[in-house]
Amino acid sequence: SAVISQKPSRDICQRGTSLTIQCQVDSQVTMMFWYRQQPGQSLTLIATANQGSEATYESGFVIDKFPISRPNLTFSTLTVSNMSPEDSSIYLCSADRQLKGYTFGSGTRLTVV
Amino acid sequence: GENVEQHPSTLSVQEGDSAVIKCTYSDSASNYFPWYKQELGKRPQLIIDIRSNVGEKKDQRIAVTLNKTAKHFSLHITETQPEDSAVYFCAPISFNKFYFGSGTKLNVKP
Repeated sequence: SAVISQKPSRDICQRGTSLTIQCQVDSQVTMMFWYRQQPGQSLTLIATANQGSEATYESGFVIDKFPISRPNLTFSTLTVSNMSPEDSSIYLCSADRQLKGYTFGSGTRLTVV
Repeated sequence: GENVEQHPSTLSVQEGDSAVIKCTYSDSASNYFPWYKQELGKRPQLIIDIRSNVGEKKDQRIAVTLNKTAKHFSLHITETQPEDSAVYFCAPISFNKFYFGSGTKLNVKP
C-alpha cells in the first residue's frame, strides 16, 4: 500500500498556467522534499519543506516559480507557476519516514504545451 | 550541496554474475547512505541503506559497504537476475538533504 500519496499522477497544461501538486504522507514527518526528474536523468532537489517555516530552495530554483506549502506534518504542495515547455518533467515528493528510510511519492508527470 | 559521483554509468552483466556500483561523495558530515532502484516509469524504491556507524550491511542478494575515510560506498548485487535490470541511484545524506548520483543503468542479460 502507498505510504506517500501524490496527485495528480499526470497532467497536460497550457503554457502560462500553474499546477499544484499534492503530497500526503501516512505519518508525521519533519521534513519533506521536492524533486524534479527529466527523462533519462537523475533526480534534482528543488526544495526542502519544514512545517512552520519557509521552504529552503536549492540553487537554480526560486520561490516565485515553485511556491511550496507545508501546512502540517503530513502534507505538502508544490506549485509550478507560469509554466513553459521547459517545465515538462516528473515531479516527486519524498519524506523521511525514519526507520523506513526516505521514500518517494509515485510522481507527477507534467507536460506543458 | 554535496558532490556525488557514481560509477559506472552503465553496467551489463550475465545472469548469475555479480554487479558492483560505486558512489563517492564530498561531505564528510554525511551520515546516511541509501541506494535506490528505479524501474522505467516508476518511483525510486529504497533497496538498502547504511548508517555511518556501520561498515557493511547485507540483505539477501544485496549488500552495501561503506568507507567513510575514503568517502565512498558501494552497492553489491550477487546472483543477478533479469528483474534486477533497472537504474540504480546512490543518494548520500548531508545536513538532512540527499543529493542523487547520476545513476547506473544495470542490464542483466538472461
